[in-house]
Order: sequence, then C-alpha cells, then structure tokens
Amino acid sequence: EVQLVQSGAEVKKPGESLKISCQGSGYTFTTYWIAWVRQMPGKGLEWMGSIYPGDSDTIYSPSFQGQVTISADKSISTAYLQWSSLKASNTAIYYCARRSSGDHFDYWGQGTLVTVSS
Amino acid sequence: QNVVTQEPSFSVSPGGTVTLTCGLSSGSVSTKYQPSWYQQTPGQAPRTLIYSTNARSSGVPDRFSGSILGNKAALTITGAQADDESEYYCVLYMGSGIWVFGGGTKLTVL
Repeated sequence: EVQLVQSGAEVKKPGESLKISCQGSGYTFTTYWIAWVRQMPGKGLEWMGSIYPGDSDTIYSPSFQGQVTISADKSISTAYLQWSSLKASNTAIYYCARRSSGDHFDYWGQGTLVTVSS
Repeated sequence: QNVVTQEPSFSVSPGGTVTLTCGLSSGSVSTKYQPSWYQQTPGQAPRTLIYSTNARSSGVPDRFSGSILGNKAALTITGAQADDESEYYCVLYMGSGIWVFGGGTKLTVL
C-alpha cells in the first residue's frame, strides 16, 4: 500500500528555521516525483515545487522560488520542505503528494500544520 | 502567468446534476494540460477524483466524470449526494514539471 506520512504539527516563532518531512512507503521512492502543496488558512491549494528523489532534480513554482528549499534523502525515502527564516505568512497546512506515472497527483500525505506566531 | 479559473461556489439539489468548470486566463484548456480534479472536505487531505481529463481514480464512484466542454475542463457529478458537499480543485499540468491549481469551487448540496 502506497503511503506518504508527514511529520507532525509545528509551532514556531518568526525568524526561526524549520524542516518538515514526508516519508514514502509501499513503492520505489526514487522513481516518483514528490510535490509540496500549500494551503493557507481558509484558502485554496497551491503547488510549491517538486523533487525527483532519484537524482534530487527540483522544480519550484516561481511564487516559491527562493522562499523555501525542497530536498530528499533517498536512503530513508523521505522528502523535505524547509525554511531558513519563518514569517507569520508561512502559517499554513503543507501537503506532500506523489506525482503519478502520468501527470497528476495520485497519493497525498495527511498534511503538516505549521503555525508561525510570536 | 497562467491563472486557472474555477467557479467560487455552486449549489446542487440532492439527486441533481452539476458541472464544475476549469478554465485558463489565457487560452483554452485541452487534454494536453492533463486536467485532474481533487475533492477536499474540511480538515482532510485532498482526494484524487479524476485524472488525464476523464479517468476516474480507483474507488471513485461513476457519478463523477470528467470531460472537456468547449474551452474548459469539466467535472460533472450526476446524482449528487449529501457527502459530495466539498471543495473541488482542478489542476492543470503546464509541462516541464509545473502544475497550477485552480482556486477551488465550494459545492453545496441542498
């Protein structure tokens, strides 16, 4: 069974750094892209970027380029999303999703709530 | 920059049929964009409904169908049920590993 399991909720202060994770299981992690998707409170879904764990090839949405870093550790089948200096506007739920062998997202993580507040 | 457009809200009566659409601010949606549709209920992760324009994801009831109508992608729900009340998002694949989500349609069943 394919599963994407994300790390737990985080509460951080502005200026702090953060790295959240998404661990895949039930499939060959290195051969499927993993995407990160943001959902701000009461708002819609936004594609942030994707990574191919096999070679760490990464693509960012122009809206998120330079704002976050996407990485992966294929030895533990885990993708990451990180911030070096959080802002209150980073408060959101972040989902990881697997890109299918086609061009859609077929499996989703449960989401990680990130709250940034002083 | 391409903007994917969806109706902000829609309502349907139980048992009725509703068609939600997904357009592009510049141009027409065609199968080349591999439109896919996702359902999200409050507090839950999105669920994949339709991909590649009209393919149903595993376990999705056949009352959900996808198509291209005119210059837009469309999601049709036939025989709407109370638990279809959700937010529905379309996503278009722009190529080169880039996706764009629509703003979502809040569907009310009443």
